[in-house]
Amino acid sequence: GAVVSQHPSWVICKSGTSVKIECRSLDFQATTMFWYRQFPKQSLMLMATSNEGSKATYEQGVEKDKFLINHASLTLSTLTVTSAHPEDSSFYICSASTQEGYNEQFFGPGTRLTVL
Amino acid sequence: AQSVTQLDSQVPVFEEAPVELRCNYSSSVSVYLFWYVQYPNQGLQLLLKYLSGSTLVKGINGFEAEFNKSQTSFHLRKPSVHISDTAEYFCAARLGGGNTPLVFGKGTRLSVIA
Repeated sequence: GAVVSQHPSWVICKSGTSVKIECRSLDFQATTMFWYRQFPKQSLMLMATSNEGSKATYEQGVEKDKFLINHASLTLSTLTVTSAHPEDSSFYICSASTQEGYNEQFFGPGTRLTVL
Repeated sequence: AQSVTQLDSQVPVFEEAPVELRCNYSSSVSVYLFWYVQYPNQGLQLLLKYLSGSTLVKGINGFEAEFNKSQTSFHLRKPSVHISDTAEYFCAARLGGGNTPLVFGKGTRLSVIA
């Protein structure tokens, strides 16, 4: 149980285009989802926290107009990178948190974004 | 700000030797601690977690970690490593209750040498 999927697993796009990444909790309801980005050989940096049905909370330094997060249901959150540029190339990882117990986070497999 | 510190960015070790990966966290009233492993181009896999109770936690793949409140540490150990253990290891903490996000250390690259 507690599986989180991400789609696509990798994407290559041209500079200036927008890319949408989906994060789904497959067998549980996730009231809260987190989006992280990871640059090569670095740690995960939290971008934003999203709660179902409300606006996402962005970390300092993360452009909310560039990284649009939608958490429309208890099993789906999306991250849209708008007008992507090469510096947005990164590994994006989502996690979903359960409502029960200590709110364990379950991580998706990640999405590799390459902007040419 | 709350933080997690992994003292070693790289740890090379010979196959079948023991290894310890160090992790310290900033003190908090309540803390949940985790170790994750990440293989190249993959997501995070949970190795083990400390929530409460016994301070010695056993995880998958023969790893274990010990929670030491007085030293605010949660070091990861394995008595005998294999080539397949070569990966990036992240220590993470939830420093507070509710749905606060995990705070990650910078990671330790474990390289097992044949």
